Amino acid sequence: GQQLNQSPQSMFIQEGEDVSMNCTSSSIFNTWLWYKQDPGEGPVLLIALYKAGELTSNGRLTAQFGITRKDSFLNISASIPSDVGIYFCAGQNYGGSQGNLIFGKGTKLSVKP
Amino acid sequence: NAGVTQTPKFRVLKTGQSMTLLCAQDMNHEYMYWYRQDPGMGLRLIHYSVGEGTTAKGEVPDGYNVSRLKKQNFLLGLESAAPSQTSVYFCASSGRPGALNGYTFGSGTRLTVV
Repeated sequence: GQQLNQSPQSMFIQEGEDVSMNCTSSSIFNTWLWYKQDPGEGPVLLIALYKAGELTSNGRLTAQFGITRKDSFLNISASIPSDVGIYFCAGQNYGGSQGNLIFGKGTKLSVKP
Repeated sequence: NAGVTQTPKFRVLKTGQSMTLLCAQDMNHEYMYWYRQDPGMGLRLIHYSVGEGTTAKGEVPDGYNVSRLKKQNFLLGLESAAPSQTSVYFCASSGRPGALNGYTFGSGTRLTVV
């Protein structure tokens, strides 16, 4: 089945730094989504992308739907402590009867000690 | 607006015991899902439902059963719990594929099987 490769697996940030993470797939998707999970909570949708090449922002977050439809990127500018958590990418195809999201394994953001 | 509500939030089971996790959504969503989350494994789909009265297997269905008797509820059952089922379980709901806003998740049930 389809799989997503999300990288990096984990990273440490210092307040004020910019952060980048990405997801790649061997097959194409119609939709890319990015979620954030805070400790003890369920994932929450950050950004949804519906067209190849689309660039969408949500505050300090910017995500892009790759032109090949096989990848997506999430950037966080000027990180703050509350940005820590696990970020998941997800891809979706909805042709036909099944359109389940396929999730990456997550990128864990922590604060540098 | 509650969104997706999961009960219970925490549970400890002994090996061989059974239990049911309840998921309720108030968004009139057609689709509902059960995931488990384990360290380093991301979110893995257990079962899902595309409408009232329907269920289907996901990636890791063994040891679990589900029922969707009412549109707003999706139940996940463990008939004979095993330590390998220690995990955090998330329920989610969505409109039809392609609908805006993706999935809405509950806050999870942390299950420990001893």
